[in-house]
Amino acid sequence: AQSVAQPEDQVNVAEGNPLTVKCTYSVSGNPYLFWYVQYPNRGLQFLLKYITGDNLVKGSYGFEAEFNKSQTSFHLKKPSALVSDSALYFCAARPGYALNFGKGTSLLVTP
Amino acid sequence: DTAVSQTPKYLVTQMGNDKSIKCEQNLGHDTMYWYKQDSKKFLKIMFSYNNKELIINETVPNRFSPKSPDKAHLNLHINSLELGDSAVYFCASSDTTWGNTEAFFGQGTRLTVV
Repeated sequence: AQSVAQPEDQVNVAEGNPLTVKCTYSVSGNPYLFWYVQYPNRGLQFLLKYITGDNLVKGSYGFEAEFNKSQTSFHLKKPSALVSDSALYFCAARPGYALNFGKGTSLLVTP
Repeated sequence: DTAVSQTPKYLVTQMGNDKSIKCEQNLGHDTMYWYKQDSKKFLKIMFSYNNKELIINETVPNRFSPKSPDKAHLNLHINSLELGDSAVYFCASSDTTWGNTEAFFGQGTRLTVV
């Protein structure tokens, strides 16, 4: 089975600074890993996924994620945060027919 | 065009009532899902259908019954609503049931049981 953990409930970063939202995974096979973002009162939007291949995955809105097999991590990153990036971020794994989500990390970007 | 649409967006109802939430996707996907997001924002899979057939039925009370009239629609009917059913319910779809495909989500239905 595949599951993910998001160790931080909240991440605070100043606008213009790099941001990292952490995710670790546990798998019994090849990991299929995803990041989603949820803005207030909205549905989840897909950002990016790792299936195989290059460990650095680029996604929407300037986000990227680094797959690290030795550390079993899949951290979400962005070189320069925007206030509009403030939202709830979910890491997810797909062990079978459906996505299993982490508990979510609230990102707050301050001006 | 909205890819995954749910109706209604908000639903306020009294305990004991029966209600339905409708979901439609125009992406041509084979697989559809219902997720529940509780007050702590935890997301949990409830059901999954592939080509109108139920493939996931997590530990959900029998009061919840999904129905898929065709592969573009997956409705959720809830009988005898309870206070604890208050949550945001998300419909989603994906191209296949395989692990390498992402899911696309609707905007959610906020259910409040009073």
